[in-house]
Amino acid sequence: AQSVTQLDSQVPVFEEAPVELRCNYSSSVSVYLFWYVQYPNQGLQLLLKYLSGSTLVKGINGFEAEFNKSQTSFHLRKPSVHISDTAEYFCAVRNTGNQFYFGTGTSLTVIP
Amino acid sequence: KAGVTQTPRYLIKTRGQQVTLSCSPISGHRSVSWYQQTPGQGLQFLFEYFSETQRNKGNFPGRFSGRQFSNSRSEMNVSTLELGDSALYLCASSLASGQVQETQYFGPGTRLLVL
Repeated sequence: AQSVTQLDSQVPVFEEAPVELRCNYSSSVSVYLFWYVQYPNQGLQLLLKYLSGSTLVKGINGFEAEFNKSQTSFHLRKPSVHISDTAEYFCAVRNTGNQFYFGTGTSLTVIP
Repeated sequence: KAGVTQTPRYLIKTRGQQVTLSCSPISGHRSVSWYQQTPGQGLQFLFEYFSETQRNKGNFPGRFSGRQFSNSRSEMNVSTLELGDSALYLCASSLASGQVQETQYFGPGTRLLVL
């Protein structure tokens, strides 16, 4: 079975600073990787996804993530954060059976 | 195209009662999945329905059940509510085409408070 670990439950960062949110997964088979964002009192919105091909994936709102198969990681990065990026971020894995597994989330707080 | 809709958005119940939540997927989507989100546990998969059949099931007690209708709309039912059932219940839909690009699209959730 797959599992997803988000190593940091809370990440505070100053406005315009870079940020990296870490995600590791465990799987012995091919997986597809996703990052979702959840703003307060809202559902989850897809940020980006890795299915195949280039290991560097670009998403919405200036976010990108890099798939590293040898380290089984899919870390999310943004070079310069804004106040509006304050939200909960979830890493997810989908297996070939179409079942999704989510990490426990990382709360990103951007400090003015 | 309208997104995933969930009703009601907020609900307050007391212990022992039962509750039914509704989810309407994006038009054309045939798969509906349900998740329970709590601060301590994060998102936990409840079940997935496809073509009116339960295709996958998470590790939840039998008090949690669901169904899907021919128009792909889905309902989730929780019987004999417990305090620990207080959570945000999220519904997600996908095409279920079997394609690699498959992505889940989430609704805004139903926040259930059990008193």
